[in-house]
Amino acid sequence: AQTVTQSQPEMSVQEAETVTLSCTYDTSESNYYLFWYKQPPSRQMILVIRQEAYKQQNATENRFSVNFQKAAKSFSLKISDSQLGDTAMYFCAFMKLRGGGADGLTFGKGTHLIIQP
Amino acid sequence: DAGVIQSPRHEVTEMGQEVTLRCKPISGHDYLFWYRQTMMRGLELLIYFNNNVPIDDSGMPEDRFSAKMPNASFSTLKIQPSEPRDSAVYFCASSQIGFSSYEQYFGPGTRLTVT
Repeated sequence: AQTVTQSQPEMSVQEAETVTLSCTYDTSESNYYLFWYKQPPSRQMILVIRQEAYKQQNATENRFSVNFQKAAKSFSLKISDSQLGDTAMYFCAFMKLRGGGADGLTFGKGTHLIIQP
Repeated sequence: DAGVIQSPRHEVTEMGQEVTLRCKPISGHDYLFWYRQTMMRGLELLIYFNNNVPIDDSGMPEDRFSAKMPNASFSTLKIQPSEPRDSAVYFCASSQIGFSSYEQYFGPGTRLTVT
């Protein structure tokens, strides 16, 4: 079974600053995906960024980027030029791939990110 | 596309009553997942289907919980009888594995309160 650990229950930064959210995971699998999901107060789950485990290049989506360290089983999220709308819960998630398909997501406990004006 | 549709959005019921949560996945998606979110346990996978067939129900907490997917456009999660500890937000998500980078699209969730 996989486990995902987010060690920062809450973080607070000023608008326009850069913030990094930590995530580590434990697995014996070699084929998997990693995700960061955002959950604003509306509770809607929104995909922020994804990373295929076989790709060494770190994924980037506009102001969001990841630092994927496969050997260390670390998958941190960096948010540059943070905005008030980035205030939300952020969940790191693991998905095992299996024979052309996939399992469900295993989530971390989440980090509550607050962007201060 | 309207996205994943869940109903009802809110449900308040008394202990012992039967509760049925409904989900309509995105058209063309072949995977459907049910998750539960609580403060204590966080987000946890309950069950998922591939092409309407249950693949893994190991996350279903006990026999009071059951899920069905009679066709590609509809799934239900039923709790009978309900208990106060079942109070949570229940999410349905769908995916087209292999074609959309394995992204799961979540519905808005159903907030269940059992008194």
